[in-house]
Amino acid sequence: KAGVTQTPRYLIKTRGQQVTLSCSPISGHRSVSWYQQTPGQGLQFLFEYFSETQRNKGNFPGRFSGRQFSNSRSEMNVSTLELGDSALYLCASSLGSGGQETQYFGPGTRLLVL
Amino acid sequence: DAKTTQPPSMDCAEGRAANLPCNHSTISGNEYVYWYRQIHSQGPQYIIHGLKNNETNEMASLIITEDRKSSTLILPHATLRDTAVYYCIVKPQTGANNLFFGTGTRLTVIP
Repeated sequence: KAGVTQTPRYLIKTRGQQVTLSCSPISGHRSVSWYQQTPGQGLQFLFEYFSETQRNKGNFPGRFSGRQFSNSRSEMNVSTLELGDSALYLCASSLGSGGQETQYFGPGTRLLVL
Repeated sequence: DAKTTQPPSMDCAEGRAANLPCNHSTISGNEYVYWYRQIHSQGPQYIIHGLKNNETNEMASLIITEDRKSSTLILPHATLRDTAVYYCIVKPQTGANNLFFGTGTRLTVIP
């Protein structure tokens, strides 16, 4: 079974632009979670989508948004990019939503904001 | 969510067992202990998880103390490819699906 895939793998943007990242979960998985990893803050939870609905949200500004499609694929969008948004963005999928589920991570998208 | 405490770094000789400790003294009865690892610049890799009993899979063994206040991840025969940051995470059975990552333990396997 193929793992979680994320596109693109690398991205360079400038301040003020917006960016959309894509995540395809493991086949059959219906939950997709997004995380941001920076050297200063570590790995932080952004949000979770399940059945096209946002289930859970971390402590990030409204510039960070996401959505999930009927095939469980998910996108996250960051608007008005800031230098501090430079990070590794990770997507994780699980069969369902809830504490008993095991999340499996993709390789990440590395975003550099100049 | 219960917090975890891990040593910031550890070394292990190649071929020897790597024993990575984790303290989770405030864990509650319905919380799992999960272990992930992250090899440089890659996505975290799920290793193993447990609730009360010890667990073993093809990657590692997880030993949870009887009072559940600490656990140890054991890599039986460490290889250079096991060099990574290892995260111990406590996650409730019920409630949100998200993981709270701490700073983990940087394991270096030495040839």
